[in-house]
Amino acid sequence: AQKVTQAQTEISVVEKEDVTLDCVYETRDTTYYLFWYKQPPSGELVFLIRRNSFDEQNEISGRYSWNFQKSTSSFNFTITASQVVDSAVYFCALSEAIQGAQKLVFGQGTRLTINP
Amino acid sequence: DAGVIQSPRHEVTEMGQEVTLRCKPISGHDYLFWYRQTMMRGLELLIYFNNNVPIDDSGMPEDRFSAKMPNASFSTLKIQPSEPRDSAVYFCASSDRVPTEAFFGQGTRLTVV
Repeated sequence: AQKVTQAQTEISVVEKEDVTLDCVYETRDTTYYLFWYKQPPSGELVFLIRRNSFDEQNEISGRYSWNFQKSTSSFNFTITASQVVDSAVYFCALSEAIQGAQKLVFGQGTRLTINP
Repeated sequence: DAGVIQSPRHEVTEMGQEVTLRCKPISGHDYLFWYRQTMMRGLELLIYFNNNVPIDDSGMPEDRFSAKMPNASFSTLKIQPSEPRDSAVYFCASSDRVPTEAFFGQGTRLTVV
């Protein structure tokens, strides 16, 4: 069965610090997709990134970067020079790529608090 | 596009009452998902549709829950009768191809007292 583990329940840092959110996944599939979503205090879920299992290139988008390592089944998310607006709950998710089983399995989330 | 639209945003109802949550997906999206978020269980998929047809409802907790998608622009999730343990935030999401990112609505916070 698929499983996503976000071991860090809560993280609190001071503004401008770098912070890494960990995500470890389990799947028997060779083709799968990984996602990160952000849930700000307003409650909606905001899509951040999607990676497929064949693309292990790290990705950078502004202050955000993602490190995908199949060898350790990890898909970690780093925020550089954090800002108060980054405060949110962040979810890592896994999806199978086979038709008929398009489900996102979410981790429990990491609550990130950026203090001024 | 206005995004995925859910209504109501908040619903408070008494135990035993019927509750209907509504969702309008993004136009052109073929997939629609209903998720539930609770503190204990996190985000869990209840059911999803492809081209208005339910594909997988294995996440629906019990027969009190039902979902329909009568057309491409509207879906409902109904709970009858509601119970206090159904209190949660219910999210609707849609996507335009598989697999791709799902775009979520703002959720309906349901409280059953």
